[in-house]
Amino acid sequence: DGGITQSPKYLFRKEGQNVTLSCEQNLNHDAMYWYRQDPGQGLRLIYYSQIVNDFQKGDIAEGYSVSREKKESFPLTVTSAQKNPTAFYLCASSARLAGASFDTQYFGPGTRLTVL
Amino acid sequence: GQNIDQPTEMTATEGAIVQINCTYQTSGFNGLFWYQQHAGEAPTFLSYNVLDGLEEKGRFSSFLSRSKGYSYLLLKELQMKDSASYLCAVRANSGGYQKVTFGIGTKLQVIP
Repeated sequence: DGGITQSPKYLFRKEGQNVTLSCEQNLNHDAMYWYRQDPGQGLRLIYYSQIVNDFQKGDIAEGYSVSREKKESFPLTVTSAQKNPTAFYLCASSARLAGASFDTQYFGPGTRLTVL
Repeated sequence: GQNIDQPTEMTATEGAIVQINCTYQTSGFNGLFWYQQHAGEAPTFLSYNVLDGLEEKGRFSSFLSRSKGYSYLLLKELQMKDSASYLCAVRANSGGYQKVTFGIGTKLQVIP
């Protein structure tokens, strides 16, 4: 089946450790995104990539890094420089549906990261 | 920048109709999305409006007024499974990129 996968669903790390969250899609979408979601706040954009080997900072990129070496994969590394890393992380990809005038974002199931 | 406002919580009765409002302020507006998100799960796409008016899709309808910076999502014949958060998201041109900004979401509780 086509879709976006994120693993693991729950992740625990000690403070000061880097951690990498995976995001894979087999939808053949060019654009991919990382968001974090915190209680009482909307989804906030961390990084996005519109094409392989290219990515741009979103609104809250500090303390995070990404790579886009393959179209299917857009891993996110949460570094020790991120001051408040505990959150729900969502990966998305987007494409224009046939006959549509806009791109629709499709989200993965998310990874809940807890830093102890 | 963009500013999106929607109520934090709402409660409605099974079988009833509920309207969830969203107001926004942005430059370079290029469309408004509504997403549904059940607790602990990913958001799923519900609707998209870029022109003024009402878009109907089954039990769900979405309305947009660009001049007023206002949208609403209308849910009819409410079912218990409609209990979820509803996210309003605005797309706007930002330096050649179509940026999508999300509101905080409205948590809807449907009661028997």
